[in-house]
Amino acid sequence: QKEVEQDPGPLSVPEGAIVSLNCTYSNSAFQYFMWYRQYSRKGPELLMYTYSSGNKEDGRFTAQVDKSSKYISLFIRDSQPSDSATYLCAFFSGGYNKLIFGAGTRLAVHP
Amino acid sequence: GAGVSQSPSNKVTEKGKDVELRCDPISGHTALYWYRQSLGQGLEFLIYFQGNSAPDKSGLPSDRFSAERTGGSVSTLTIQRTQQEDSAVYLCATHRPGPGSWTQYFGPGTRLLVL
Repeated sequence: QKEVEQDPGPLSVPEGAIVSLNCTYSNSAFQYFMWYRQYSRKGPELLMYTYSSGNKEDGRFTAQVDKSSKYISLFIRDSQPSDSATYLCAFFSGGYNKLIFGAGTRLAVHP
Repeated sequence: GAGVSQSPSNKVTEKGKDVELRCDPISGHTALYWYRQSLGQGLEFLIYFQGNSAPDKSGLPSDRFSAERTGGSVSTLTIQRTQQEDSAVYLCATHRPGPGSWTQYFGPGTRLLVL
């Protein structure tokens, strides 16, 4: 079993749709849960992070963590064409030096 | 500069040749990571440098891969006797370690194609 599972997509939605992106993980030592966004031919950039179970909201983006199910989600409301990118979930444990990334989900929002 | 820079942005080489990829970190960022991103795959950790400590090389896929960091700043990733399966985007990321500080800042990557 992979440490992190993320559906690579691609996911294509119309402008204004609500988008749901998800990852599952197996390592219960993970303490920090992150979403990175990667535009084409660019490096990933941190979009959101959360430390505990529950929801965290930032504008049109909501990150959700369910530690009991080892499941994290990113919701994008009122999606825009500028949201078209690859979204990677990432996990960090205080005992490690490295982030563990999912494969990334390619999202295309069409006008 | 303001961000992490990497060079070259693209590299095409022949199988069996050696290549060097360079990463210039954000000033003051003592931690530096190299990752590899293959098509349809997540970011694969390669190596981690932190200050003067011995690097964590646990992610290097074979002894053809090596990296160094001179003076705690610029880093070079070297791939010897390149193989076609080495074709990928190589990303460098840096951060300034501290309490609660682990956000990594990525460079734009070097696209390596081995023919």
